Amino acid sequence: GEDVEQSLFLSVREGDSSVINCTYTDSSSTYLYWYKQEPGAGLQLLTYIFSNMDMKQDQRLTVLLNKKDKHLSLRIADTQTGDSAIYFCAEMDGGATNKLIFGTGTLLAVQP
Amino acid sequence: DAMVIQNPRYQVTQFGKPVTLSCSQTLNHNVMYWYQQKSSQAPKLLFHYYDKDFNNEADTPDNFQSRRPNTSFCFLDIRSPGLGDAAMYLCATSALGNEQFFGPGTRLTVL
Repeated sequence: GEDVEQSLFLSVREGDSSVINCTYTDSSSTYLYWYKQEPGAGLQLLTYIFSNMDMKQDQRLTVLLNKKDKHLSLRIADTQTGDSAIYFCAEMDGGATNKLIFGTGTLLAVQP
Repeated sequence: DAMVIQNPRYQVTQFGKPVTLSCSQTLNHNVMYWYQQKSSQAPKLLFHYYDKDFNNEADTPDNFQSRRPNTSFCFLDIRSPGLGDAAMYLCATSALGNEQFFGPGTRLTVL
């Protein structure tokens, strides 16, 4: 079955790098996504990676994909207090529906 | 410029009283999705429309229905809300095969 797992909590100091990890199970996923959710708000798409890529960099964000281990990570460089939020990874279902299967979410707390 | 709009942002209803949540989009995407997100949990897909074709998830309760009268609008109807239906309801849109864009959500409280 489809299952996407993340660690529940990460605490870092402002200015440090944050690394949020995710494991997924559907090897047929075409795209993998990272979304950010601030309290009481919807989901903001941060970045995504196509399944045939190993790495994608977008300003402070770096996504690494290890397809063999089905492991995805999001690195945030120079973490700021405004980065405090819940981060969800999601895989796109490899079937016809293109639905997203979300991970359990990681709460990132940035200490000043 | 808002691209996916949900109304209302906060909805309070009574146990068993039908409620309708609204979603509209300016992106002209052919796919619209409704997710339910309970407190401290991941969003869970309820159903989606590909154009006018309705696709229900196998474990979505019959209490939840949806309508899509045109490309821009999609509604979520909860026929008889229970206390367990209190959640954030998120609408999303996509061009098929591409990333999904989410609205701000409607937080539903059931008294």
